[in-house]
Amino acid sequence: GAGVSQTPSNKVTEKGKYVELRCDPISGHTALYWYRQSLGQGPEFLIYFQGTGAADDSGLPNDRFFAVRPEGSVSTLKIQRTERGDSAVYLCASSLYPRMEQYFGPGTRLTVT
Amino acid sequence: GQQLNQSPQSMFIQEGEDVSMNCTSSSIFNTWLWYKQDPGEGPVLLIALYKAGELTSNGRLTAQFGITRKDSFLNISASIPSDVGIYFCAGLGDSGAGSYQLTFGKGTKLSVIP
Repeated sequence: GAGVSQTPSNKVTEKGKYVELRCDPISGHTALYWYRQSLGQGPEFLIYFQGTGAADDSGLPNDRFFAVRPEGSVSTLKIQRTERGDSAVYLCASSLYPRMEQYFGPGTRLTVT
Repeated sequence: GQQLNQSPQSMFIQEGEDVSMNCTSSSIFNTWLWYKQDPGEGPVLLIALYKAGELTSNGRLTAQFGITRKDSFLNISASIPSDVGIYFCAGLGDSGAGSYQLTFGKGTKLSVIP
């Protein structure tokens, strides 16, 4: 079946601009996660959704970052007033239930110039 | 937060050789996951381990959940060129945020010499 999909695959934006990154999880998966991966590092947790609500957003770096999942399926990660330090690969993952293995999408490479 | 120590950081092997890598933690995990990541792609799940002492295979890959629940090992037998990539271990704890936030190691970069 279809895996996790993410769009766009690459995004280049200027410092100070607003960006939206989209994630479409595996059909039927109730849990959705966003991670951020910097060069040479493993992914780091940003936010976790169970259904429509953000169950844990403790990994979001600051209030410029926000994510939604209004219908319990597709999620959008929103970054306001982007900074060069936001440049990274943003990964989305989903799992059938919490505490189960997570399946990742291909990621969105964000570059802030 | 928690840290996973993954070793070796990188390795160069001849095609056909066996590979071993491991991951250790200062904390106990209930689930160990091994992923492979190719350049420009997301991590792909290789093996999931749920019980201390568990030994699980997926083709030429074999992984073990350490008895202490603080370590895990991944072995690749008879390596081939397409095994090239970065291998990550990741753990899930038994309660709280650790039960759904994956904690990742820094990865082992595998290069295969034909």
